[in-house]
Amino acid sequence: QKEVEQDPGPLSVPEGAIVSLNCTYSNSAFQYFMWYRQYSRKGPELLMYTYSSGNKEDGRFTAQVDKSSKYISLFIRDSQPSDSATYLCAMSVEGYQKVTFGTGTKLQVIP
Amino acid sequence: DAGITQSPRHKVTETGTPVTLRCHQTENHRYMYWYRQDPGHGLRLIHYSYGVKDTDKGEVSDGYSVSRSKTEDFLLTLESATSSQTSVYFCAISVERSTDTQYFGPGTRLTVL
Repeated sequence: QKEVEQDPGPLSVPEGAIVSLNCTYSNSAFQYFMWYRQYSRKGPELLMYTYSSGNKEDGRFTAQVDKSSKYISLFIRDSQPSDSATYLCAMSVEGYQKVTFGTGTKLQVIP
Repeated sequence: DAGITQSPRHKVTETGTPVTLRCHQTENHRYMYWYRQDPGHGLRLIHYSYGVKDTDKGEVSDGYSVSRSKTEDFLLTLESATSSQTSVYFCAISVERSTDTQYFGPGTRLTVL
């Protein structure tokens, strides 16, 4: 079993929809949680960063962490065609030199 | 892209040949990483560096070596390339401690025939 599980999709939604992307994990020591967006043939770019549990909002994006359930989510409101990309969750343990990535969910927002 | 460049951006080579990929950063960050990305596997850590001449192995280090003689450059070498090393290779840096957020370069697409 992988430490981080992420549904690969693809996920297709109409423009304007609310998108929910999720990851589950097994290592209860993870404390830092991140979401990256990766356009085709580009490097991943950091979207959101959260420490421990709770919510964080940035414009149309909201990241949620539920450590009791070992579950993290990224919500995208009013989705746009420009949001079409692969979204990677990532997490790490404080004091270790490693970040563990999910395999990514491919999102397509249809105009 | 946090001032990270990778070269070459694309390379096609033959099995058994040595290949070196270069990662260059402009901001003197201490931590640098090499990942490979493959369908169904996501990003997997090959090697990382926490300073000049200080490197350590990641989860898929077999067949790869690294060197860091200057803060700004981190080299990944495939001593004798194999078809299983066909992949997209990404360099990353961490702007604070190594477990903090990482920023990625544009990637090198390597094909081993």
